[in-house]
Amino acid sequence: AQSVAQPEDQVNVAEGNPLTVKCTYSVSGNPYLFWYVQYPNRGLQFLLKYITGDNLVKGSYGFEAEFNKSQTSFHLKKPSALVSDSALYFCAVSPEENAGNMLTFGGGTRLMVKP
Amino acid sequence: DGGITQSPKYLFRKEGQNVTLSCEQNLNHDAMYWYRQDPGQGLRLIYYSQIVNDFQKGDIAEGYSVSREKKESFPLTVTSAQKNPTAFYLCASRGGVQAINSPLHFGNGTRLTVT
Repeated sequence: AQSVAQPEDQVNVAEGNPLTVKCTYSVSGNPYLFWYVQYPNRGLQFLLKYITGDNLVKGSYGFEAEFNKSQTSFHLKKPSALVSDSALYFCAVSPEENAGNMLTFGGGTRLMVKP
Repeated sequence: DGGITQSPKYLFRKEGQNVTLSCEQNLNHDAMYWYRQDPGQGLRLIYYSQIVNDFQKGDIAEGYSVSREKKESFPLTVTSAQKNPTAFYLCASRGGVQAINSPLHFGNGTRLTVT
């Protein structure tokens, strides 16, 4: 069975500083990895995904994530945080054999960007 | 605009009553999903359907039922057998079985409170 760990319940960062939201995963075979963002009382919005290819994936709103197979990690990053980036972030994984159909989500990390 | 509509946004029920949550999509997606979100636990898959008239149990299907009579619609019934039904319920869809890498598109959720 697959699993996702987001070790930090909350990440605090000052506006303009770089941010990192951590994610590690466990899955049989090759992983499909996703990051989603959730604003209050809303559904999740897709940010980016890793399927294959370059380990550095670029997504929406200036976010990127780096796939590290040896460390089974897929950390979300942004060079310069904005106050509007404050939200709840979810990492998700699916084994390649399920083709993204059975996503397992992490518990979420709340990002707080302060002016 | 294409999207997923969940209704109602807020729902209140007495314990022992069944309740049905609506999910409609006009994205022409084949696959649809129901997730439950509890604080600090991320999203957990209740049921999913890859095609009309077919659906499969997810990780926490007990106490729930679904139907998929139309491609656009995937209603979820929370039965009186569900021991802890109060939660935020999210419906999602994904491009057809050919779109194996496509991300999930989410509705804005229904917050169910059972007292």
